Amino acid sequence: QKEVEQDPGPLSVPEGAIVSLNCTYSNSAFQYFMWYRQYSRKGPELLMYTYSSGNKEDGRFTAQVDKSSKYISLFIRDSQPSDSATYLCAMEYSSASKIIFGSGTRLSIRP
Amino acid sequence: NAGVTQTPKFRVLKTGQSMTLLCAQDMNHEYMYWYRQDPGMGLRLIHYSVGEGTTAKGEVPDGYNVSRLKKQNFLLGLESAAPSQTSVYFCASSYEIRGRGVRGTEAFFGQGTRLTVV
Repeated sequence: QKEVEQDPGPLSVPEGAIVSLNCTYSNSAFQYFMWYRQYSRKGPELLMYTYSSGNKEDGRFTAQVDKSSKYISLFIRDSQPSDSATYLCAMEYSSASKIIFGSGTRLSIRP
Repeated sequence: NAGVTQTPKFRVLKTGQSMTLLCAQDMNHEYMYWYRQDPGMGLRLIHYSVGEGTTAKGEVPDGYNVSRLKKQNFLLGLESAAPSQTSVYFCASSYEIRGRGVRGTEAFFGQGTRLTVV
């Protein structure tokens, strides 16, 4: 069983829709949770990170962590075609240790 | 400021050949990583380093070796390439984020190396 599970998609939604991306994990030792965005043929870039359970908001993006359920989510409001990319969740046991990634969800926003 | 630079960007190898991928970062980061990315598999950690002179195994280390002789460089070696090592390889470096009630890591990635083993 992989430590981090993520639905690979692809996911296609119309412009303006709310997008929900999710990951589950098996090891309760994970403490730090991140979302990376990867455009085609580029390296991933950090989108959001969070350290504790609850919600963290940044513009149109909200990251949610539920440690009791071992479940994290990324919500994108008012989705734009420029949001079309692969979104990868990532986790660490402790700060600045090895980073474990999910398989990524390919998202397409239709104009 | 170049960030993370990977060399080469593309390479075709024959089975059994060896090669070294070079990763260089100019951000003075302590931590560096090598990942491979395959369709449907996401990023899988091969090896990582928490400082100059240190290395550690990741999720899929077999068939690879690494060295971190200088803080700014992290080398990934394939001693005897196999078709199963055909992949896109990403190097990353990271620093620890510390703020009021916040901790975490931000990793910066290179542009990737597309390796084909025939």
